Amino acid sequence: ELKVEQNPLFLSMQEGKNYTIYCNYSTTSDRLYWYRQDPGKSLESLFVLLSNGAVKQEGRLMASLDTKARLSTLHITAAVHDLSATYFCAGTDSWGKFQFGAGTQVVVTP
Amino acid sequence: GAVVSQHPSRVICKSGTSVKIECRSLDFQATTMFWYRQFPKKSLMLMATSNEGSKATYEQGVEKDKFLINHASLTLSTLTVTSAHPEDSSFYICSASLPGSGNTIYFGEGSWLTVV
Repeated sequence: ELKVEQNPLFLSMQEGKNYTIYCNYSTTSDRLYWYRQDPGKSLESLFVLLSNGAVKQEGRLMASLDTKARLSTLHITAAVHDLSATYFCAGTDSWGKFQFGAGTQVVVTP
Repeated sequence: GAVVSQHPSRVICKSGTSVKIECRSLDFQATTMFWYRQFPKKSLMLMATSNEGSKATYEQGVEKDKFLINHASLTLSTLTVTSAHPEDSSFYICSASLPGSGNTIYFGEGSWLTVV
């Protein structure tokens, strides 16, 4: 059974600084997803990582995947207030089902 | 615009009544949709996989007679919460994969259910 662990669960960021969210998974996952969720809203797709060494960047967010270490990271560069949200990683098991991490609540303060 | 649309976005119902939530794929056909439940400040929990033209596959611990799923067409899946109770109050989210999008899964806007 695929298990996905995120850490930290809560991250207080200072504007302008860099931070990383980690996502470990227990067994082989075909792909790794990152989502953003604002309070009271549904999920917004950020990245889909398909292969070992994959790196994707969008604005201040960069996601990477190391399938050998079963680790994905979401790196935030020069945090800004607009990035305050909860971030989820998710993997898919051999049946294609999603397994979400617990989520990382990010709060960016001046 | 939205690729997967849910309706209603918010619903309040009385205990003992049933409520239906719709999940539509817009401009594409989705043979498989997924239904999730999310409690406040918690992660998403997969409830069931909705398959067009066949019975839904429920996750362990999810009552299939309580949460009825119907995937009657390639663009519509419905979740009916039967004989709702206050503990069924939650955020329900559906998802579907957009063909040709590079394995991107799109989520509906979610539906807040409050049972009073």
